[in-house]
Amino acid sequence: QKEVEQNSGPLSVPEGAIASLNCTYSDRVSQSFFWYRQYSGKSPELIMSIYSNGDKEDGRFTAQLNKASQYVSLLIRDSQPSDSATYLCAVNLVGSGTYKYIFGTGTRLKVLA
Amino acid sequence: DAGITQSPRHKVTETGTPVTLRCHQTENHRYMYWYRQDPGHGLRLIHYSYGVKDTDKGEVSDGYSVSRSKTEDFLLTLESATSSQTSVYFCATGSGGIDEQFFGPGTRLTVL
Repeated sequence: QKEVEQNSGPLSVPEGAIASLNCTYSDRVSQSFFWYRQYSGKSPELIMSIYSNGDKEDGRFTAQLNKASQYVSLLIRDSQPSDSATYLCAVNLVGSGTYKYIFGTGTRLKVLA
Repeated sequence: DAGITQSPRHKVTETGTPVTLRCHQTENHRYMYWYRQDPGHGLRLIHYSYGVKDTDKGEVSDGYSVSRSKTEDFLLTLESATSSQTSVYFCATGSGGIDEQFFGPGTRLTVL
């Protein structure tokens, strides 16, 4: 069973702090990794994608990937109340020439003003 | 925003009735996906399509069927709705390969 695991939270951080969200996955052949943000009652919105080991930065967001440890994380710097949402980790699976995605159950982030 | 619409956005139906949800995209993406999202389970793949008339099952496909007669439309059918199919349904599209997918606004389905 291929799985993606996240701590459900809630993760509470004060405004202006760094929020650190973590995700582990079980399928070693996964090639691409994504972080989606989902506000309550809304659809998931892509915020970061990462394909190779190391860090990828985009504004206040940094994604980190360690394929050897099967671990991907998302750091949010200078957290704002508007960052309060559920963050979904997704892993791309390749099989028989088709592409599917497995999602974690999400981590709920609360940024306290 | 990948130009994805879903219809209807909300639906209430009774157990045993057939229901069809529609996903329409304007991005000419090859891949289309149907997910359901339930508390505690996250997003689970129901069916997906990798081309016109090419579909395959996901992890929770029992009780659902799909059809894709043209690139832009992907239909999800519940042949005989049950209360366990009460959920929020999301359509997603992608170009395939290792790239990301984009989500539609969702359909909230309630089966009484």
